[in-house]
Amino acid sequence: EAQVTQNPRYLITVTGKKLTVTCSQNMNHEYMSWYRQDPGLGLRQIYYSMNVEVTDKGDVPEGYKVSRKEKRNFPLILESPSPNQTSLYFCASKAGNSYEQYFGPGTRLTVT
Amino acid sequence: AQSVTQLGSHVSVSEGALVLLRCNYSSSVPPYLFWYVQYPNQGLQLLLKYTTGATLVKGINGFEAEFKKSETSFHLTKPSAHMSDAAEYFCAVSYPLTGNQFYFGTGTSLTVIP
Repeated sequence: EAQVTQNPRYLITVTGKKLTVTCSQNMNHEYMSWYRQDPGLGLRQIYYSMNVEVTDKGDVPEGYKVSRKEKRNFPLILESPSPNQTSLYFCASKAGNSYEQYFGPGTRLTVT
Repeated sequence: AQSVTQLGSHVSVSEGALVLLRCNYSSSVPPYLFWYVQYPNQGLQLLLKYTTGATLVKGINGFEAEFKKSETSFHLTKPSAHMSDAAEYFCAVSYPLTGNQFYFGTGTSLTVIP
């Protein structure tokens, strides 16, 4: 089954404790992206990657890091999480020449 | 800055009534336009998209949308609402020159009343 998977689905952590949210897709998509969803703000793009070893900032990259060492994986790293990063995070992927993004199920992160 | 405006954060319609969800964009360059649906506790699913060609586009589940350049709008409609249409709907844009950045509206929550 073609899908985007994220782990963990739920995470509660404390301020300053480094964490990684994994994202993996099995569709051989070139493009992958991370978004955060907050009430009243919709989805905002954090980072995106057009292919292996190519990453670019989206609208809200501060406080986040990403890497794309393999085509199928695009982890989101929070080196020192803060409470304002409490949010619902979505990973998405698409083929390079397509406009249709496929979204993962989301990761709900709470930073206390 | 690119922006997408969805008028009405909450819309309620009766089952069988017309669904109209509004989306306007602000840019001088016509964008690519998308509507996504999000069911509770799920990721987003593409309903329909406009890139080029016919301005009236049909999507899944009986939804359609019309790109009106003069009004900078891309409103989503469905002639007859079903209970299963209750969800959050997001309008999004990207631009031909920066096609890998996507900008989403704040979302409209649709309630369908039996």
